[in-house]
Amino acid sequence: DIQMTQSPSSLSASVGDRVTITCRASQGIRNDLGWYQQKPGKAPRRLIYAASSLQSGVPSRFTGSASGTEFTLTISSLQPEDFATYYCLQHTSYPWTFGQGTKVEIK
Amino acid sequence: EVQLVESGGGLVQPGGSLRLSCAASGFTVSSYWMHWVRQDSGKGLVWVSRLDTDERSTNYADSVKGRFTISRDNAKNTLYLQMNSLRAEDTAVYYCVRGYNGLDVWGQGTTVTVS
Repeated sequence: DIQMTQSPSSLSASVGDRVTITCRASQGIRNDLGWYQQKPGKAPRRLIYAASSLQSGVPSRFTGSASGTEFTLTISSLQPEDFATYYCLQHTSYPWTFGQGTKVEIK
Repeated sequence: EVQLVESGGGLVQPGGSLRLSCAASGFTVSSYWMHWVRQDSGKGLVWVSRLDTDERSTNYADSVKGRFTISRDNAKNTLYLQMNSLRAEDTAVYYCVRGYNGLDVWGQGTTVTVS
C-alpha cells in the first residue's frame, strides 16, 4: 500500500497568515493527488485535484503543487472560514490512501 | 444539482448486518466510479470500496474484503454497501462519494455503530 505522510498534524495560525501543508507519498503517484477540507460535523470538500488544479468554486488563495513524491497545499492568506482539517488523498493505486490530516487552528 | 444522500446506518450488534444506501441526483451513478469512504469518530478518512462503471470491477480495503459488498441499482440511481459480519472496528461515519479524478462529490454521511 502507498503511505501518505502528511505534516504537520496540526498548526496554529492567524488570519492573513500563509499556511503550507505537505504530503509525501511512499512511492510515485504521478499527479494522482487531491486535497480536501473538512469542517466539524461535515463531509469533506475537495479543494484541489490532479495535484494542482483548483476545484470549481474554491477560492484562488488555495494552491497545490508537486515535486516528485512531495505535494503541497498552500493557503496564501488564511481566512476565518479556512479553520478546518485538511487531508490529502492518493488515487493512483488501490487501496486509495489518505494522509493523517492537518488541523488548522486559530492562534 | 449533483447530490448524494446516504441512509441505512444505525446500531447493530457484532456479527450483524446492515445495508447502506446512497441515492444520487443530478447525475447517473452508472456513468461514474462510485466509492465508499469511512471515518472513525474524530479520526481520519479511510477508503473502503469502489465500483466501476461496468459493475463487474470492484475493489475493497483489506479490512472489509469478504464481508462488505458494493453494488448499485441503475433504475433507482442508487449505490449500496452490504455490510456483513460487522465488528466494533467498523463503527464509523460512512460516506458515499462520486469518483472523478479522485473523489469529487461527497454525501453527508450515515453513522454505523457496532456495539
